[in-house]
Formats: sequence, C-alpha cells, structure tokens
Amino acid sequence: NAGVTQTPKFQVLKTGQSMTLQCAQDMNHEYMSWYRQDPGMGLRLIHYSVGAGITDQGEVPNGYNVSRSTTEDFPLRLLSAAPSQTSVYFCASRYRPTDTQYFGPGTRLTVL
Amino acid sequence: KQEVTQIPAALSVPEGENLVLNCSFTDSAIYNLQWFRQDPGKGLTSLLLIQSSQREQTSGRLNASLDKSSGRSTLYIAASQPGDSATYLCAVERGGADGLTFGKGTHLIIQP
Repeated sequence: NAGVTQTPKFQVLKTGQSMTLQCAQDMNHEYMSWYRQDPGMGLRLIHYSVGAGITDQGEVPNGYNVSRSTTEDFPLRLLSAAPSQTSVYFCASRYRPTDTQYFGPGTRLTVL
Repeated sequence: KQEVTQIPAALSVPEGENLVLNCSFTDSAIYNLQWFRQDPGKGLTSLLLIQSSQREQTSGRLNASLDKSSGRSTLYIAASQPGDSATYLCAVERGGADGLTFGKGTHLIIQP
C-alpha cells in the first residue's frame, strides 16, 4: 500500500491564483481530513469527509473548497490564494472516526 | 472549545536519559488521545493511541499514560537515542468525525 499520498510537495502561488492540492489513499478509508500546520499554531482542521459525497467544515474552512467523488480521493481547492494561506497542508485518513489517523507527507505552499 | 497544551516546548538531553513529555487538555470529554512523531519536513507518524477507558499504552521504549479526569497525559521515553530527535505532538479526539485537536508540540533533541 502507498498509504496517503499528496501532490505537489511544494508550490508557489501569486495572490489571487487558484489551485488544487491532491490527496489520495489506497486503504479504503471512509474518513479523510485536511489540516494546515503553521508555526506557533499547531495543526488545525480545514475540512473533513465521512465518505464519498459527504463533506463538512472544520475549524478554519474559509478560502477552501473540498469535494469527495470517490473513496480514494479528497482534493482541496484554493479559490483565490492569499498570503495568509501560506502553510504546510496535510491530508489524513482513517477507517473509523476514532481510529488512528494516517497522514500524508504534506504540501508546502507559499503565496506571494 | 478544547485546548491542548504541551510542556515543554523544547527539550535537549544527552543520549541515554529517560524523559517525560507532558500534555494537558481543557475538556475531559474525550474519546481517545494520540501521540504522534513528526520529523523535519515530514508528515506525522502515530506512536500510541490511548482510548478514554484506558490508563496507558506501551510500545517498545515508549509509554503513554492518560488521566482523563485531570486532563493530562504523559509520554515517557526510556533510554533515549539520537534517533528519537523529532517533534512530538499530542492530540485529543472528542469522538465525532471531525478530527483531532492538536497541541503545538515538544521539539526534542537527543545529544549523542
């Protein structure tokens, strides 16, 4: 199993540009989440999904969109990038709500 | 709102020492508590998961305890090694699908 994969590893955007961060898992996990990690702030939940077609907001959802058309994939879309979205983004998945979460390697995003 | 605090923020000790990392949380209504390890530029790796009904979990040289009523957990590392150098994150789960609340981590350096 590849586990949780994320692409790209690094990305630089200009303010106002849009992009999609990709996340995929091959463990048949129903539950997937997106977190951002900022210095001094810890990891914070952006959006999560409990299965294909079902998503909900986390702690810091503004400026981000998600959709879940398949069990395997959970992309995160930045509609109009802002410097405040400069961060490291982690995708995670698990089989049940209270199981251990498996994290991807992260995407380091810089918005100029 | 759940808040998770980790003390100390940073720790540097010589190789071979036993050490304790601390985690406290404000809302004792948790489903489980997890300890993660994060190496620089990498994702998170789950170390131990303690269910709310448990008092401790052990894996090799690691032992994690949980006192839910007082809102505290400790991670004990025995006979520390340079390879243990990393950031250790504590996170609590409240039982829904909406993910974990993380502390800011303890940055650990083991001196050879």
